[in-house]
Amino acid sequence: DADVTQTPRNRITKTGKRIMLECSQTKGHDRMYWYRQDPGLGLQLIYYSFDVKDINKGEISDGYSVSRQAQAKFSLSLESAIPNQTALYFCATSDPGLAGGEQFFGPGTRLTVL
Amino acid sequence: KNEVEQSPQNLTAQEGEFITINCSYSVGISALHWLQQHPGGGIVSLFMLSSGKKKHGRLIATINIQEKHSSLHITASHPRDSAVYICAAGQYSGGGADGLTFGKGTHLIIQP
Repeated sequence: DADVTQTPRNRITKTGKRIMLECSQTKGHDRMYWYRQDPGLGLQLIYYSFDVKDINKGEISDGYSVSRQAQAKFSLSLESAIPNQTALYFCATSDPGLAGGEQFFGPGTRLTVL
Repeated sequence: KNEVEQSPQNLTAQEGEFITINCSYSVGISALHWLQQHPGGGIVSLFMLSSGKKKHGRLIATINIQEKHSSLHITASHPRDSAVYICAAGQYSGGGADGLTFGKGTHLIIQP
C-alpha cells in the first residue's frame, strides 16, 4: 500500500461548490504539505503543518483552508470553488531530520472546476 | 522569496547520451531537492543535498552553495528516464521544511 494517499484522485465540480481533498499517510511523519501544480507554473505551496496544532499558510493560501485532524490526516478545502482553482493538487510529508528531510508525495488529485 | 530557475525547459536526446539539467536559486537554502515526475503525474524524490555530490545508480546530483547552483546528471540515458525533472529549494526552521520553492521543471525525452 502507498505511504501517502489522496482522495479523490479525480474530481469535476462546479463553480461555487465546496470541495474537500483528503490526504492520509502511514509514514508517521509530523510534517505535511499541500501543493498545487499548474501547467507552466510549477508546484506552489498552499499550506503546511508541522503537527496537529501547527498550521501555516504557504504562498498561495487565498481561497483555501486546511484541517489537520490527526498526525496522519491533512485535508484541503475549497469553500467556494472557482475555475482558476483547476489544477493538480499534491499532498506531501516529510521527516524533520537534520535538514528538513526528503519529501514524500501522494499520487495527486486532478481537480476541474467548471 | 526564493526564485528557482531551471534550464533547459525541454530536452530531447538519444538513448545513451549524457544528460545535464541545471538549477539556480536566488536565496541561500538549507537543502536542494531533485524530483522526478512521470507522465502519470506521480512525483518521486530523487535527491536531497546541501553540499557536494550524491550518486544513485545512473543519476548524479551536485551542488555549489557559493554559486547557488545545482546540476542533475544522467549517465547512459534510457527511454525510461523520460520524465519531468524538478528542482526545489528548501528553507528550514525548527529542523523542518517550511515547504519547498520549485522550479518549473525540465521535460526530458530520451529517444531509442
